[in-house]
Amino acid sequence: GNSVTQMEGPVTLSEEAFLTINCTYTATGYPSLFWYVQYPGEGLQLLLKATKADDKGSNKGFEATYRKETTSFHLEKGSVQVSDSAVYFCALGGQGGKLIFGQGTELSVKP
Amino acid sequence: NAGVMQNPRHLVRRRGQEARLRCSPMKGHSHVYWYRQLPEEGLKFMVYLQKENIIDESGMPKERFSAEFPKEGPSILRIQQVVRGDSAAYFCASSIGPEKNTEAFFGQGTRLTVV
Repeated sequence: GNSVTQMEGPVTLSEEAFLTINCTYTATGYPSLFWYVQYPGEGLQLLLKATKADDKGSNKGFEATYRKETTSFHLEKGSVQVSDSAVYFCALGGQGGKLIFGQGTELSVKP
Repeated sequence: NAGVMQNPRHLVRRRGQEARLRCSPMKGHSHVYWYRQLPEEGLKFMVYLQKENIIDESGMPKERFSAEFPKEGPSILRIQQVVRGDSAAYFCASSIGPEKNTEAFFGQGTRLTVV
């Protein structure tokens, strides 16, 4: 069945460091791929998405490219800020609109 | 336009009691999804509902759990005879349709603690 595997956390970085959070998926067909962010005590917010191979989603300095050949959707940001500290979830759009999530990666950015 | 509203935010129940979690979708959204987040885990799909219909309940435990989305009022996730293992955060999401690239908007969740 469809599944998502994310890089384990927690990830701790200094402010302005480069961020990569790995995400790979297993799926039949051509699902949409998403990154969601969860700030402490809050629900999930959509960060970016890509709907087909080679699409690049981007938002707030974050980027991820839908790579069909490597079944990956890695999240990157060139220069992280303290305010980026959160849990990041990679997700795959399944049948009927339901989402299949990775286990989440906690990011902590230190000043 | 208010977002997805869930209440209560926090719920404490003793073992054996019933828990009722409510979700009001965004205005104009008729598709509702419930997810459960166990400690240190990602979100797991539970059930997908459209007004008055359960579309997909493949993620729901077979016993004690039920969900509804009536014609009027919020969607309800009901857990009967709660056990400690039910302690988790329960999130509701809504969307305008089931298409694969449609954005789902999440509520802030209900954190259930069973004591």
